[in-house]
This record gives sequence, C-alpha cells and structure tokens, in this order.
Amino acid sequence: DIQMTQSPASLSASLEEIVTITCQASQDIGNWLAWYQQKPGKSPQLLIYGATSLADGVPSRFSGSRSGTQYSLKISRLQVEDIGIYYCQQASSALMYTFGAGTKLELK
Amino acid sequence: EVQLVESGGGLVQPGRSLKLSCLASGFTFSNYGMNWIRQAPGKGLEWVASISSSSSYIYYADTVKGRFTISRDNAKNTLYLQMTSLRSEDTALYYCARRRATVANYFDYWGQGVMVTVSS
Repeated sequence: DIQMTQSPASLSASLEEIVTITCQASQDIGNWLAWYQQKPGKSPQLLIYGATSLADGVPSRFSGSRSGTQYSLKISRLQVEDIGIYYCQQASSALMYTFGAGTKLELK
Repeated sequence: EVQLVESGGGLVQPGRSLKLSCLASGFTFSNYGMNWIRQAPGKGLEWVASISSSSSYIYYADTVKGRFTISRDNAKNTLYLQMTSLRSEDTALYYCARRRATVANYFDYWGQGVMVTVSS
C-alpha cells in the first residue's frame, strides 16, 4: 500500500504569513496528488489536483508543488478563512486512495 | 448547483446491516464516477469505495472488502452503500463524493455526510 506521511501535524501561523504543508509518498505516485481543506464542521473541499493544478474557485494564494515523492501545499498570505485541517490524497493506485493524516492549521 | 445529499445513517448494533443512499442533483450523474469516504469522530479521512459511471469498475478499501457493497442507480441519480457485519470501528461520518472528470480519482464535490454509529 502507498503511505502518505503528512507534516506538520499542527501549525500555528499569523495572518499574511506564508504557510507550507508537506506530504511524503512512500513510493512514486507521479503527479497523482490532491490537497483538500476541511473547515470546522464542514465537508472537505478540493483545493489542488494533479499536484499543481488549482481547483475551480480556489483562491490563487494556494499553490501546489512537487519534488520527487515530496509534495507541498503553500498558502502565500494566510487569511482567517484558511483556518482548518488540510489533507493530501494520492490517486495513483486504484486499489487504495490514501489520505495523509492531516495538518491542523490555526491562527497564532 | 451540484448537490449530494446522504441519508440512511443511524445507530446500529454490531453485526447488523445498514444501507446508505446519496441523492445527486445539479449534474449528469450517469457521467461521473462516485465514491464513499468516511471520517471517524475526531479522525482523518478514509476512502471506502468507488464505482465508475456505468458500474463497470468497483473498488473497496481492505477494511471493508467483503462486508460493504457500493452500487448506483443512474435512473434515480442515487448512489448506495450496503454495509453488513458492522463493527464498532465502522462508526464514522460517511460522505459521498463525486469523482472529478479526470483520469485520476480526485473528489471534487462532497455531500454533508451521514453519521453511522455502531454500538450495542
């Protein structure tokens, strides 16, 4: 099975700060990687797919990148509405679509 | 507007069965693959099962294989999850989610979720 190791588990940042969350895949998954945001009490929302493509309606301050089997989600200028839990998800294997454990993002 | 509305959850005893439904609207249901994803209380997301647009391809997580059955009725715009031999560890909020119209299974729309509690 493909494992997705997400870090950090939690993160406290100030408004307008740059925030970076990473996800390490246990094997090559190419660009088959998505990022989701889950606000408190809400359903998850797709942010990034294909490792770097922005989903419809997602603000441009969100971006995704890849370096080998490490993937990053960057928020260029943190806003209040960005608070929540972020998950990565690999879509390489049809046998198991694995999520990372999540990163809880809070305001400092 | 895309809408996914789950129903059928509730409290059930271990070993019993339950069937979830997800009514879709706002898009051509028969053109999209669909998924069930769950979230145990205070925990992360776990993909449960997926089904292609015509039901030709079906996949399950190892944790539910042999106990859960995903199906769909395109005439009724409805996705189902039949759950049998339920265990306490199946307690979770169950989401239905649409597969984005790409090669890979990304989940672009989610329902609000339906709670399943397995307890005696």
